[in-house]
Amino acid sequence: QKEVEQNSGPLSVPEGAIASLNCTYSDRGSQSFFWYRQYSGKSPELIMSIYSNGDKEDGRFTAQLNKASQYVSLLIRDSQPSDSATYLCAVSGPGNTPLVFGKGTRLSVIA
Amino acid sequence: DTGVSQDPRHKITKRGQNVTFRCDPISEHNRLYWYRQTLGQGPEFLTYFQNEAQLEKSRLLSDRFSAERPKGSFSTLEIQRTEQGDSAMYLCASSWGRGGNNEQFFGPGTRLTVL
Repeated sequence: QKEVEQNSGPLSVPEGAIASLNCTYSDRGSQSFFWYRQYSGKSPELIMSIYSNGDKEDGRFTAQLNKASQYVSLLIRDSQPSDSATYLCAVSGPGNTPLVFGKGTRLSVIA
Repeated sequence: DTGVSQDPRHKITKRGQNVTFRCDPISEHNRLYWYRQTLGQGPEFLTYFQNEAQLEKSRLLSDRFSAERPKGSFSTLEIQRTEQGDSAMYLCASSWGRGGNNEQFFGPGTRLTVL
């Protein structure tokens, strides 16, 4: 059973701070890792993808991957109230297989 | 380029009725996925297609569920004899499906309520 674990939160951070979101996964064969943002009542929106160990930066977002520890994280710098949402970690194996999602971490950015 | 579209956006039905949902993927994407999401949970995989071929079905997909993608373009998901436990958001996603890129882009979803 492939599992993806996330702290459900809520994670509360003040505006302008760094939000750190974490995810662990059980399948060592996983090869693709994604972060989605989901506002209440809306569908998931892809914000970051990462495929190799290390950091990947895109604007205020940095994804970090450590395959040895089976750990993925997402850092959001200069957090804004508009970042308040649920962040879903998703993992897939080789060959463009379906995604396995965590339950998501609810982030609240306080103005 | 338009994103993934789904129709209807909302569906309310009575227990025992059949419902059908439609998904139109991003035009150049050859993979299409169906997921289901309930409150407080992440999306759960149901089934997926590469072009018109259905490659995998989750054990979550009971015999009452059927999906098809007849010409490798749009897809339909049908639920027969709906049950209250079928109430959920049904999400469709598509991906380019080539090379190592497995980025999946979701449609707005169809919210099903079974009374």
